[in-house]
Amino acid sequence: EVQLVESGGGLAQPGGSLRLSCAASGFIFGDHHMDWVRQAPGKGLEWVGRSRDKVRSYTPEYAASVKGRFIISRDESKKSLYLQMNSLKTEDTAMYYCARVTPTVGGDDAFDIWGQGTMVTVSS
Amino acid sequence: AIQMTQSPSSLSASVGDRVTITCRASQDITNDLGWYQQKPGKAPNLLIYAASSLQSGVPSRFSGSGSGTDFTLTISSLQPEDFATYYCLQDGNYPLTFGPGTKVEIK
Repeated sequence: EVQLVESGGGLAQPGGSLRLSCAASGFIFGDHHMDWVRQAPGKGLEWVGRSRDKVRSYTPEYAASVKGRFIISRDESKKSLYLQMNSLKTEDTAMYYCARVTPTVGGDDAFDIWGQGTMVTVSS
Repeated sequence: AIQMTQSPSSLSASVGDRVTITCRASQDITNDLGWYQQKPGKAPNLLIYAASSLQSGVPSRFSGSGSGTDFTLTISSLQPEDFATYYCLQDGNYPLTFGPGTKVEIK
């Protein structure tokens, strides 16, 4: 079964750090870009960043709101994606989802598999 | 960054109604657009990719159209399980950006 399972969420203080994990199963992990998307309570979806696929050397991309504070990485041997969150702000409070990205015939990228999410709360 | 807008922000409709949601990009994104459905407490679910291609397993009452800057998601006959929030996502340019969402409620 193709599946993504996030973990690592919890309560952190402003200025603190937290590391999220996303465990993948049921597909060839290195063949796909993997993304993080977050959703603040009662708000819409916000793209956080990407780890490109193996062919593209896993190079990352970030949203402006997290660039310089968050680091996306992956471990192929563990089929896991990570989000290292540093210098946390109260506005980082959100549900964090990882998503598999699959290229399509039309050239578009499809976020076709999502995890269940892990909640991060930044508060003193 | 490319800005995405959606209209309406919410709508009330009845079972069996035809529903249309519009998404507009601040610049040309060709067909690099997807539509996602999200129900309360759940992860988003892909409906449409490449603006008009139906994801496998998604009912055929969902359809997408458009290219460039203007896109449409249509539900031909609204079903009880379709009451949810719908988001567009442009995935052709970094940073990727979602629309603000359209909440479809029961009339």
